[in-house]
Amino acid sequence: DTGVSQNPRHKITKRGQNVTFRCDPISEHNRLYWYRQTLGQGPEFLTYFQNEAQLEKSRLLSDRFSAERPKGSFSTLEIQRTEQGDSAMYLCASSLGGGGTRHFGPGTRLTVT
Amino acid sequence: GNSVTQMEGPVTLSEEAFLTINCTYTATGYPSLFWYVQYPGEGLQLLLKATKADDKGSNKGFEATYRKETTSFHLEKGSVQVSDSAVYFCALFESGGSNYKLTFGKGTLLTVNP
Repeated sequence: DTGVSQNPRHKITKRGQNVTFRCDPISEHNRLYWYRQTLGQGPEFLTYFQNEAQLEKSRLLSDRFSAERPKGSFSTLEIQRTEQGDSAMYLCASSLGGGGTRHFGPGTRLTVT
Repeated sequence: GNSVTQMEGPVTLSEEAFLTINCTYTATGYPSLFWYVQYPGEGLQLLLKATKADDKGSNKGFEATYRKETTSFHLEKGSVQVSDSAVYFCALFESGGSNYKLTFGKGTLLTVNP
């Protein structure tokens, strides 16, 4: 169990640029989740995959956001035309089956200048 | 909808002090309850959980009891250490329906001084 990894750990970008983050879940986990966390808040759900299928997207996930999990393994989260309000920590988590137990990655901190 | 309310932080204690972090919840059914911990620079880790009323979750000296009558899941530790300094999140999961959603509180920052 090597844990959930996320890359990059930090990303600074200028407003209007596109960014892409990667998440590698625990290998046998079939479920993958993306969350956004801002200062002083708990993680907020963005989207969820079961294997390669994206089963749910939060209304927080605007049209500028897209997530994929092409082979049911790693996942990418892309933000197009970044805005300053997108500055946050983006967390990925995985789980085997349902329930509330999640294994979280260390997060990618995005700063939009 | 479901929600979780935690006591506002930050909480600052001296080593070996008693810790309580309050958590109450609102849910339509019978949720499972969790405490997650986030150490500086790391991702969230599951600390403990309880899946039904009157269950007690425990781990690393921390305990929390699922109280349905007061809709609470307060976190306690009898003697905190400097290494317990972290942000603590209470969360609930309700199975059935949207069975993916884990709802978090805002988190409570704990600082333990030597």
